[in-house]
Amino acid sequence: EVRLVESGGGLVQPGGSLRLSCAVSGFTFRSYAMSWVRQAPGKGLQWVSSISGSGDRTYFADSVKGRCTISRDNSKNTLYLQMNSLSAEDSAIYYCAKGFGETYSPYFYYMDVWGKGSTVTVSS
Amino acid sequence: QSMLTQPPSVSGAPGQRVTISCTGSNSNIGAGYDVHWYQQLPGTAPKLLIYASNSRPSGVPDRFSGSRSGTSASLAITGLQAEDEAHYYCQSYGGGLSVVFGGGTELTVL
Repeated sequence: EVRLVESGGGLVQPGGSLRLSCAVSGFTFRSYAMSWVRQAPGKGLQWVSSISGSGDRTYFADSVKGRCTISRDNSKNTLYLQMNSLSAEDSAIYYCAKGFGETYSPYFYYMDVWGKGSTVTVSS
Repeated sequence: QSMLTQPPSVSGAPGQRVTISCTGSNSNIGAGYDVHWYQQLPGTAPKLLIYASNSRPSGVPDRFSGSRSGTSASLAITGLQAEDEAHYYCQSYGGGLSVVFGGGTELTVL
């Protein structure tokens, strides 16, 4: 069974940092691109970032570019999202999602398995 | 950045057929890039429903189908059931190196 389990969310002050993790099992992790998608309270889905299966290519939404780093440890079957300079607008449920193939091509890319999400709240 | 527009809500009675539209532009759907659909049941994570415009992952009932024409795509649900009550999101190319989601449509089963 394919499983994605996010962790690392919580309450953080404005301007602070947080690292989310996503532990996966049930598939060959290194063979698939991975993504982070967030959902603010009562709002829709927003793509945040993606990374290729090998980890050598990363992609970011304009809203987080320069503030976030996506990475993966294929030996630990774990995906990460490091978020810095957080503001209230970053408060959301952050979902880890598995891509359908090894590469991320935005023209065709979709996410076929999702984790349950980790909640990030930015507030003083 | 390219956008995808969905109606905020649709509704239908059990057994009926409903459609949810996803309007893009010549920068995404109209350019031939793939459209995908996700279902989000209340309080749960999104689930892939349709990929590459009209393909269903294993386990998704054939009551769900996708289509596209010009700069738009549609999700059709036939034989509506109470368990179909959820939010539905389309996704496609968002410009640059990004993907974009539609704003989501809330389906109410009357």
